[in-house]
Amino acid sequence: AQKVTQAQTEISVVEKEDVTLDCVYETRDTTYYLFWYKQPPSGELVFLIRRNSFDEQNEISGRYSWNFQKSTSSFNFTITASQVVDSAVYFCALSGGANTGNQFYFGTGTSLTVIP
Amino acid sequence: EADIYQTPRYLVIGTGKKITLECSQTMGHDKMYWYQQDPGMELHLIHYSYGVNSTEKGDLSSESTVSRIRTEHFPLTLESARPSHTSQYLCASSEGTVDYEQYFGPGTRLTVT
Repeated sequence: AQKVTQAQTEISVVEKEDVTLDCVYETRDTTYYLFWYKQPPSGELVFLIRRNSFDEQNEISGRYSWNFQKSTSSFNFTITASQVVDSAVYFCALSGGANTGNQFYFGTGTSLTVIP
Repeated sequence: EADIYQTPRYLVIGTGKKITLECSQTMGHDKMYWYQQDPGMELHLIHYSYGVNSTEKGDLSSESTVSRIRTEHFPLTLESARPSHTSQYLCASSEGTVDYEQYFGPGTRLTVT
């Protein structure tokens, strides 16, 4: 079965703290893709990153970094020096081939609150 | 920057009314999707389309219907709105299928009284 688990429902941090959002996935596909989206209070989902299953290299983009580990089926997202504008719900998503019906599977989201 | 639009942004309507939620994109994407989401909760795929005249139902059973007569337009219709339809509806499009990110519109927040 294809599944994305975001065990952290809500996280609160004080501004400038680092925070890591966890994402664990399950899939039978050998080729698959992982994504992170941000949903601020305005409601629109904003694409952050895409990673394919053959590329385990970690990625850094400004204060954002992603750690992909196939051995533990995890694709975690770290925000360094958090800011109030980072407050949002963050979704991890999985897509793949035949076993996922060519669809996206979203996790239940992690609500991040950054306290000034 | 993605160019995908949804109207209306907010809609309050009485039970039994027929409504159409509009979604348009200017990126020329073949793939389009409709999701239902309760505030801050997970997304549920209700319909998708891989191109003109192609429509499929998603995982979530829905009483809505969709059409895809033009590449850029993917409207969602509820023939008879019910309070259980109260939710946020998100439209998305992508250049490819599983290997491309989906770009989302701003959403329509629907309340059925």
